[in-house]
Amino acid sequence: ILNVEQSPQSLHVQEGDSTNFTCSFPSSNFYALHWYRWETAKSPEALFVMTLNGDEKKKGRISATLNTKEGYSYLYIKGSQPEDSATYLCASLFGNEKLTFGTGTRLTIIP
Amino acid sequence: DVKVTQSSRYLVKRTGEKVFLECVQDMDHENMFWYRQDPGLGLRLIYFSYDVKMKEKGDIPEGYSVSREKKERFSLILESASTNQTSMYLCASSTQTSQVRAFFGQGTRLTVV
Repeated sequence: ILNVEQSPQSLHVQEGDSTNFTCSFPSSNFYALHWYRWETAKSPEALFVMTLNGDEKKKGRISATLNTKEGYSYLYIKGSQPEDSATYLCASLFGNEKLTFGTGTRLTIIP
Repeated sequence: DVKVTQSSRYLVKRTGEKVFLECVQDMDHENMFWYRQDPGLGLRLIYFSYDVKMKEKGDIPEGYSVSREKKERFSLILESASTNQTSMYLCASSTQTSQVRAFFGQGTRLTVV
């Protein structure tokens, strides 16, 4: 089993604060790293797909970085809002076929 | 608009029944995946397929089989349902290009009684 790990498992953040969480993955046979947001009663939706060491991606208040040599990615949320409450999943693509997910970070924004 | 459609949102089956979960995608994707989601365990890969009639075991294939006779359809089969297979099942599809994200179905919540 190729382990993709996320930390922390859950997080409570005050509205307006910034936060970040971590995804670690095996660096061998790495193809791509995906971040998804999964809101209750909806399907997971992709935030970012990153492939190159040193990649940084940004979408509004959310950004992500990638280090393929040491096998980790960070997701940052700036100025958290209630609508950011969700489970954030990372997934590593091994070879170009097998997409393996971490256990997720459950984020709750406190108004 | 791209779509991955799972045949049922909710399903209740009896122990020992044979159960079919169907997934259809309209994006001509090569890869298709079946995951189950349980509290505290995230999404765990059951099986995936990278082409018609091709299948690979994921991390938890025991008790499941799959079928991919056509490119757009990937079926998950529980040969003899058991209570420990009560879970949320998610289907996803993607191309084989590393830059492209996966698209997910809406999920099937299966309860085995």
